[in-house]
Amino acid sequence: GAVVSQHPSRVICKSGTSVKIECRSLDFQATTMFWYRQFPKQSLMLMATSNEGSKATYEQGVEKDKFLINHASLTLSTLTVTSAHPEDSSFYICSATPGLAHETQYFGPGTRLLVL
Amino acid sequence: DAKTTQPNSMESNEEEPVHLPCNHSTISGTDYIHWYRQLPSQGPEYVIHGLTSNVNNRMASLAIAEDRKSSTLILHRATLRDAAVYYCIISYNNNDMRFGAGTRLTVKP
Repeated sequence: GAVVSQHPSRVICKSGTSVKIECRSLDFQATTMFWYRQFPKQSLMLMATSNEGSKATYEQGVEKDKFLINHASLTLSTLTVTSAHPEDSSFYICSATPGLAHETQYFGPGTRLLVL
Repeated sequence: DAKTTQPNSMESNEEEPVHLPCNHSTISGTDYIHWYRQLPSQGPEYVIHGLTSNVNNRMASLAIAEDRKSSTLILHRATLRDAAVYYCIISYNNNDMRFGAGTRLTVKP
């Protein structure tokens, strides 16, 4: 199956700093990538959808200026958490799809962010 | 997206079949039924998906009711590695997948 990687797998940062998370599709071109957030013992919550070369579409309640998404190529999307605070500590998961109708999404292994 | 209803948790014995139900009474004619599972501290893993006909792959089988308002994920022989949270998702074009609470499957040795 298709492989999606994320880097880093875990990160610890101080409050107020910015953190960048990379999501890569390793063996296919991803026309669309998605970013999810998952708090402990909760389900995944969709944060935003990004299409290569265009601005991301954010879900209601997700601050676009805080969670910057860049999808500059068909194999790479980045999520930058700006001025991170302890409440941003979470498990961030990306997924990608080749964009074919009814094709499945392929998920990355996730990035655990801890903001001190 | 159509809403899904799944039991919060289920238990199974190792090497026995497991039937995980999902109700999706508001599904539309063009919605696909997707199943993913998530092991602790990992991203979701694709299991299977289908539209109208039953589907089989190396991981599981998907049985879809004739009226498509419900479906069942079947693990033919549960192993300890199948312990996970299983999510049933209804989506037309996979570009809009919303995760519910899922079913936490516990497999007992």
